[in-house]
Amino acid sequence: DTGVSQDPRHKITKRGQNVTFRCDPISEHNRLYWYRQTLGQGPEFLTYFQNEAQLEKSRLLSDRFSAERPKGSFSTLEIQRTEQGDSAMYLCASSLEGPIGGQYFGPGTRLLVL
Amino acid sequence: AQSVTQLDSHVSVSEGTPVLLRCNYSSSYSPSLFWYVQHPNKGLQLLLKYTSAATLVKGINGFEAEFKKSETSFHLTKPSAHMSDAAEYFCVVSDAGNNRKLIWGLGTSLAVNP
Repeated sequence: DTGVSQDPRHKITKRGQNVTFRCDPISEHNRLYWYRQTLGQGPEFLTYFQNEAQLEKSRLLSDRFSAERPKGSFSTLEIQRTEQGDSAMYLCASSLEGPIGGQYFGPGTRLLVL
Repeated sequence: AQSVTQLDSHVSVSEGTPVLLRCNYSSSYSPSLFWYVQHPNKGLQLLLKYTSAATLVKGINGFEAEFKKSETSFHLTKPSAHMSDAAEYFCVVSDAGNNRKLIWGLGTSLAVNP
């Protein structure tokens, strides 16, 4: 299966620690997106990349959050000095440029900050 | 600006009966519209997409949706519900039709009773 993959699937950390998540998109997709989803809500857009360029960041993405896609393939999302409010499912999606395809999602990384 | 409204937060049907999940959208552009499904503790799966081709769109698992511009609607239907259809369903519109950012509805929780 060559779908979107995310690692780890689950992460438990203590408040104040840093965490990093990885996303591997579908190989021919040049766009990559990060979302956050809390229980009972739809996904909230965080940021997206076209190739290696980060083209948009949501106001939800505080200075503690940083995302990279250094070679235009996989991406990482780092959260520094985690807070309990960061507990959520972090979703990655990828797509081809343009309206035709739709975005394809990975299984998500569930973060719990104690 | 684009927006999407899912008219029902919860829908309950009996197995074997039709499913109707309602969605209305607002868009200044010719929109791209999507339905996603999320099963408990699973990732988001693209059910179907409308991108200005045929107004009746067929998706996976027997679902289909009809784009009605005059009613600004994109309702999701299935002739006969199966127990495995129980999940959360999200109606989504793309930002400016270029698949750059998705605007999500709040979701409809579908319960299927035996």
